[in-house]
Amino acid sequence: LAKTTQPISMDSYEGQEVNITCSHNNIATNDYITWYQQFPSQGPRFIIQGYKTKVTNEVASLFIPADRKSSTLSLPRVSLSDTAVYYCLVGRAYSGGGADGLTFGKGTHLIIQP
Amino acid sequence: EPEVTQTPSHQVTQMGQEVILRCVPISNHLYFYWYRQILGQKVEFLVSFYNNEISEKSEIFDDQFSVERPDGSNFTLKIRSTKLEDSAMYFCASSERGGGADTQYFGPGTRLTVL
Repeated sequence: LAKTTQPISMDSYEGQEVNITCSHNNIATNDYITWYQQFPSQGPRFIIQGYKTKVTNEVASLFIPADRKSSTLSLPRVSLSDTAVYYCLVGRAYSGGGADGLTFGKGTHLIIQP
Repeated sequence: EPEVTQTPSHQVTQMGQEVILRCVPISNHLYFYWYRQILGQKVEFLVSFYNNEISEKSEIFDDQFSVERPDGSNFTLKIRSTKLEDSAMYFCASSERGGGADTQYFGPGTRLTVL
């Protein structure tokens, strides 16, 4: 299982773009990179997933360089409600068999100030 | 949008008592999970369940824990004899497929307080 490393905390201001980088040096060929968001006293929520290059959805963008040893979650124009913990996870594509539990690290606690 | 639901939202129990936490996964999902999060700590995987049997379990999931899918909609976590250290948020999750890259949908959690 590829280990991930991300900053423990980050601060930013409303309206700014926030980039959170995660390193995963031992990522395997069939692994995908997935980011989840968690608000206090709530369950984690899927934000975005990618395999390589760039992925964008209505919430965020995910940049993955060619070597795939890191990834950057980009949140455009953050607001106070984006204050949360963001987790970077690496997991294999489904290939049959049982169900894989997710391994969460400590995540990045993002604090957005007015 | 379909969502995972959990009951109760908060459970208070005495040490040594049995508790059952209940979850209703998203209806067309086949893979089910329990996680826990002790206050201020990271989310920890407990167990996964597929095809009516445990698929994977962590070291935390010892003989005091059990899971069951008693009917077509519910998925339960039982703790036989609760300890103080079992106090945590317990999250149920479900997914369409079972890979680590497949999106898991989490419920709102049950806060378990053991006195």
